[in-house]
Amino acid sequence: GAGVSQSPRYKVAKRGQDVALRCDPISGHVSLFWYQQALGQGPEFLTYFQNEAQLDKSGLPSDRFFAERPEGSVSTLKIQRTQQEDSAVYLCASSLVRDRAYNEQFFGPGTRLTVL
Amino acid sequence: DAKTTQPTSMDCAEGRAANLPCNHSTISGNEYVYWYRQIHSQGPQYIIHGLKNNETNEMASLIITEDRKSSTLILPHATLRDTAVYYCIVRVAGSGGSNYKLTFGKGTLLTVNP
Repeated sequence: GAGVSQSPRYKVAKRGQDVALRCDPISGHVSLFWYQQALGQGPEFLTYFQNEAQLDKSGLPSDRFFAERPEGSVSTLKIQRTQQEDSAVYLCASSLVRDRAYNEQFFGPGTRLTVL
Repeated sequence: DAKTTQPTSMDCAEGRAANLPCNHSTISGNEYVYWYRQIHSQGPQYIIHGLKNNETNEMASLIITEDRKSSTLILPHATLRDTAVYYCIVRVAGSGGSNYKLTFGKGTLLTVNP
């Protein structure tokens, strides 16, 4: 079956440009997560949605980062006025149920963002 | 969530068992142990999880010590495709708080050699 898909897979932006990264979760998955992975590091949590509600955005590094999931399915992570330190792989994950500890998260392949 | 300690890297011969250790000495009674792996240029992939008992699935086995302070992920017959970074994560059970998050460390780079 179809997994989590992300687009674009690669994005090069000039410093100061705005970018939008898309995530298509597995159909029917209630929970959606965004993570940021710097080179050589493990993924770090950015934000969490349950359906269309953004329940946790504590990991977003600055107010230049904004995420939305207006219809409870597709999500977009937007970064305004990109900086070089925003260069990373942005991973999206989805899961079926929120309130059970052993619900696995299914990850997409990520979008590699390079800010020049 | 409790922190975990894993070796930075390990090597394994193809066809042999790969045993990946993880220390989680401050784990709480309601925390599960999860393992994910990340193959180069891919997103992390769930492998297995457990609370107290040893667990086995089609991918791997998870051995948790009786005091739950450490665990070992076992890939019984490693192949070249198992070369990846393996992450050990502990996570609170049940609803509430922020237990939906996965907190990754740096993991162990397992290299399976021909």
